[in-house]
Amino acid sequence: EAQVTQNPRYLITVTGKKLTVTCSQNMNHEYMSWYRQDPGLGLRQIYYSMNVEVTDKGDVPEGYKVSRKEKRNFPLILESPSPNQTSLYFCASAGRAQSPLHFGNGTRLTVT
Amino acid sequence: GQQLNQSPQSMFIQEGEDVSMNCTSSSIFNTWLWYKQDPGEGPVLLIALYKAGELTSNGRLTAQFGITRKDSFLNISASIPSDVGIYFCAGQQGGGAQKLVFGQGTRLTINP
Repeated sequence: EAQVTQNPRYLITVTGKKLTVTCSQNMNHEYMSWYRQDPGLGLRQIYYSMNVEVTDKGDVPEGYKVSRKEKRNFPLILESPSPNQTSLYFCASAGRAQSPLHFGNGTRLTVT
Repeated sequence: GQQLNQSPQSMFIQEGEDVSMNCTSSSIFNTWLWYKQDPGEGPVLLIALYKAGELTSNGRLTAQFGITRKDSFLNISASIPSDVGIYFCAGQQGGGAQKLVFGQGTRLTINP
């Protein structure tokens, strides 16, 4: 089944403790991106990747890092999480940047 | 970043009623997309619009790309319980998904 898989689905952590949210897609998609969803703000793009080893900042990149060493994986790294990064995070992929996005099922992160 | 104004923010309707929601922007977009997010899942693409004035249907859903290219609307006819969820509009300028901008979402609740 074609899908975008995020792990974990839920994560509670403390301020400053490094964490990684994994994202994997099995559709051989070139384009991948990360969004955060907050009430009243919709979906805001954090980082995106046009292809392997090509990443760029979205609208809200501060406090996040990404890497794209392989086509299928696009992990989101929070080196020193803070409470304002408490949010619902979505990974998405597309065959190409011009194609419709396929979203994962989300990771709900709480930073205390 | 750019903003899309989506309204209404929430709707409470009776089963069988028709639903209408819209998105407006001060910027021109080349593509308008409508997504639906079910509880606990990621957004799923409903309709994509690529030309100003285009009217496209997907079952009971109808969406239009505004003539000015600054707005779009989504109508749902004869609502049913599974229509419950959050609906997002998204506008895309040239380039691709890296330039995708989402509205704040419309939360639809249906009373049976």
